[in-house]
Amino acid sequence: SYVLTQPPSVSVAPGKTARITCGVNNIETKSVHWYQQKPGQAPVLVVYDNSDRPSGIPERFSGSNSGNTATLTIIRVEAGDEADYYCQVWHSSNYHVVFGGGTKLTVL
Amino acid sequence: QLQLQESGPGLVKPSETLSLTCNVSGGSISRNGFYWAWIRQPPGKGLEWIGNIYDSWNIYYNPSLKSRVAISVDTSKNQFSLKLSSVTAADTAVYYCARDTGGSWRWIDSWGQGTLVTVSS
Repeated sequence: SYVLTQPPSVSVAPGKTARITCGVNNIETKSVHWYQQKPGQAPVLVVYDNSDRPSGIPERFSGSNSGNTATLTIIRVEAGDEADYYCQVWHSSNYHVVFGGGTKLTVL
Repeated sequence: QLQLQESGPGLVKPSETLSLTCNVSGGSISRNGFYWAWIRQPPGKGLEWIGNIYDSWNIYYNPSLKSRVAISVDTSKNQFSLKLSSVTAADTAVYYCARDTGGSWRWIDSWGQGTLVTVSS
């Protein structure tokens, strides 16, 4: 099975930069998407196609994808960024949507 | 603006079939390049893709659930549905319906609010 590995948790102080990783062999050959989920709410797409942002998502959110690791970067972290973040790819050879296990971002 | 709304029983007995419907408003569900997906999230856990549908001939399922899942679409009502048979407590989760962008690199660009389904006698 195709498994996307994320760290369970990341902690960052307000105003600093948070980096959340998503790893699998040769992930750079995939397009990676990122979702933010706050407690009791549905996920929200924050980055798609590795590095594009949907309208309404702050420029503080960015994505990159290289080698075996994709990264969601949040600069100037705010308290409101505290949430769970999930990466996702489309596994075209098996026609499956695959989610990473999720990372809880804590703003200290 | 596209809106998706799940509906169905919030409580299902073990061994029975879970049935949910997603009503789509603000856009047509019919063969416009988008797929329509079901995703679930057990309490305190991560997201799990259940499957998605484009039309009656293009349906894809998570292999771990494939033997128990059926997704269908009713274009006349602009809705799609999920049936999950032989449920156990492990199927207790918030179930989301969602829109999958389709194409070569697919993502979920719209979600329903989710509905909690509890499996218990």
